[in-house]
Amino acid sequence: GQNIDQPTEMTATEGAIVQINCTYQTSGFNGLFWYQQHAGEAPTFLSYNVLDGLEEKGRFSSFLSRSKGYSYLLLKELQMKDSASYLCAVTDSNYQLIWGAGTKLIIKP
Amino acid sequence: DTEVTQTPKHLVMGMTNKKSLKCEQHMGHRAMYWYKQKAKKPPELMFVYSYEKLSINESVPSRFSPECPNSSLLNLHLHALQPEDSALYLCASSQAQGEAYEQYFGPGTRLTVT
Repeated sequence: GQNIDQPTEMTATEGAIVQINCTYQTSGFNGLFWYQQHAGEAPTFLSYNVLDGLEEKGRFSSFLSRSKGYSYLLLKELQMKDSASYLCAVTDSNYQLIWGAGTKLIIKP
Repeated sequence: DTEVTQTPKHLVMGMTNKKSLKCEQHMGHRAMYWYKQKAKKPPELMFVYSYEKLSINESVPSRFSPECPNSSLLNLHLHALQPEDSALYLCASSQAQGEAYEQYFGPGTRLTVT
């Protein structure tokens, strides 16, 4: 079956760094996406990894290890507005997007 | 313009009503999607249109009827819905289906069935 695991909830402090992990087991792999979703709003695209390694984009970085079926999203210099759910999604061999349940990130002052 | 628009933002309908959700994008994307999202759950794929043809129907009940009038528009017709159909309905688009392109989401329609 297809399975994506992420922690349900994480808490971090403003100004700190947090790492949100995602492990996946899917039928094939054609890339991994991270989306941010604020409560009551639509998901917005953050990053895409298809090759192993780290992709950096400002305060956000995403890492992929295909051999381990593992990715993480690293958020630096946390701001209160980063409080949101972070969704990991994998494109399988049929190019279907398989979604994780999301990680709710709570930022405290 | 990287925007997907959806109307209405909120909709309350009775179980005997007929209503439609609308979605529009002007990015030249050839794939468009309807998702249903319940609170604290990830988006759940309902339909995919590729080049204006229905490509995927994820065993959605017939009370939901999608329509793609042209390459920029996507509708979702609703009829005889149940209270459990209350959810956030998201439209998304991407450059194409069958490739790993990011999807751009509209703001969603918050649907309440009474």
